[in-house]
Amino acid sequence: EVQLLESGGGLVQPGGSLRLSCAASGFTFSSYAMSWVRQAPGKGLEWVSTISGNGVTTWYADSVEGRFTISRDNSKNTLFVQMNSLRADDTAIYYCARNDQVVWGYFDYWGQGTLVTVSS
Amino acid sequence: EIVMTQSPATLSVSPGERVTLSCRASQSVSSNLAWYQQKPGQAPRLLIFGASARATGVPARFSGSGSGTEFTLTISSLQSEDFAVYYCQQYNNWPPWTFGQGTKVDI
Repeated sequence: EVQLLESGGGLVQPGGSLRLSCAASGFTFSSYAMSWVRQAPGKGLEWVSTISGNGVTTWYADSVEGRFTISRDNSKNTLFVQMNSLRADDTAIYYCARNDQVVWGYFDYWGQGTLVTVSS
Repeated sequence: EIVMTQSPATLSVSPGERVTLSCRASQSVSSNLAWYQQKPGQAPRLLIFGASARATGVPARFSGSGSGTEFTLTISSLQSEDFAVYYCQQYNNWPPWTFGQGTKVDI
């Protein structure tokens, strides 16, 4: 059974940093691109970042480019996102999601999410 | 960036009714479109990919159709557990992967 479990969320002040983790199990982690998708309170879904299975290639939304860094440790089946220079509009539930294996296009499994609140 | 627009924003229906949700892309996405269901307090769940293929475990009452810029998600007979928010997402041109704003199906 595929499982994705996020952790690391919490309350942080504007300008602060936070690192989220996503522990994966039930599949060959290194064979899949992985993504972070966020959802601001009461709002829709927003793609944040994606990393290839081997960790070599990364993509970022314009809204987080230069502030967030996605990475992975395939030996520990774990996905990360380092979030720096956090702003109030980064407040959201952050979901870890697995990209489909063929076209990396849709997200076939999701974690339950971790809440990040940026506030003074 | 491809903009996805869903309509209506909210749909009020009764159990047993047939429901049709629409999703429009700002340019052609071929059949590279997915639908997700999100219930309150839960993560999104993949329903449809490739515009019309049901994901594993998705009931047959859910069907997707369309190609190019116009897509539809149909629920043939709405069950109580289907009240949720539904999102479409394109993956023809990425990055970015883009979602519609969602359609809420409520009673």
